[in-house]
Amino acid sequence: GAVVSQHPSWVICKSGTSVKIECRSLDFQATTMFWYRQFPKQSLMLMATSNEGSKATYEQGVEKDKFLINHASLTLSTLTVTSAHPEDSSFYICSATRGGSGDQPQHFGDGTRLSIL
Amino acid sequence: GENVEQHPSTLSVQEGDSAVIKCTYSDSASNYFPWYKQELGKRPQLIIDIRSNVGEKKDQRIAVTLNKTAKHFSLHITETQPEDSAVYFCAAIALGWGAQKLVFGQGTRLTINP
Repeated sequence: GAVVSQHPSWVICKSGTSVKIECRSLDFQATTMFWYRQFPKQSLMLMATSNEGSKATYEQGVEKDKFLINHASLTLSTLTVTSAHPEDSSFYICSATRGGSGDQPQHFGDGTRLSIL
Repeated sequence: GENVEQHPSTLSVQEGDSAVIKCTYSDSASNYFPWYKQELGKRPQLIIDIRSNVGEKKDQRIAVTLNKTAKHFSLHITETQPEDSAVYFCAAIALGWGAQKLVFGQGTRLTINP
């Protein structure tokens, strides 16, 4: 159990394009989902925390208008990179936790490799 | 906020030997410490975790120890195998708060030499 699906796995697009990434919990309800960005040979950096039915909480330095997050249901959160530029190229990974007490590990999606030309 | 330091950044051991990776954390409120293994281009996979009411936990060849007083925790891999080669991340989280956040260490690239 606790499978998280992320789509697409790989995106190449032109500068100025907006890109949407989906994160789905397949076999459990995820009240909270997280979005991370990982540059090559670096650690995972939390971008934002997404709670179902409410606005996302962004980490310091992450532009809300650039990285739009929607968590419309207990099984789906989306990250839209608006007007993407080459510096936005990175590996984006989502994770999800089950609902309940909060004493639950995070389960990660496969990640999306975004390349902006 | 929480800060997690991880050492070493790279580690190379002979197959069959043991590997130890160490992490320290700064927030005494943190009470959950997972370890993740990430192979190139893939998702981080949870390999073991420990909660602050436990000092040690073992799962076959993998063990984790936690010293709350010193605020450090370690991953121990015994009888290493080539498939253990990957990047390992420690993390710390404060549970039970309004916004639980995982803070990751910098990662350790473990190479097992046959």
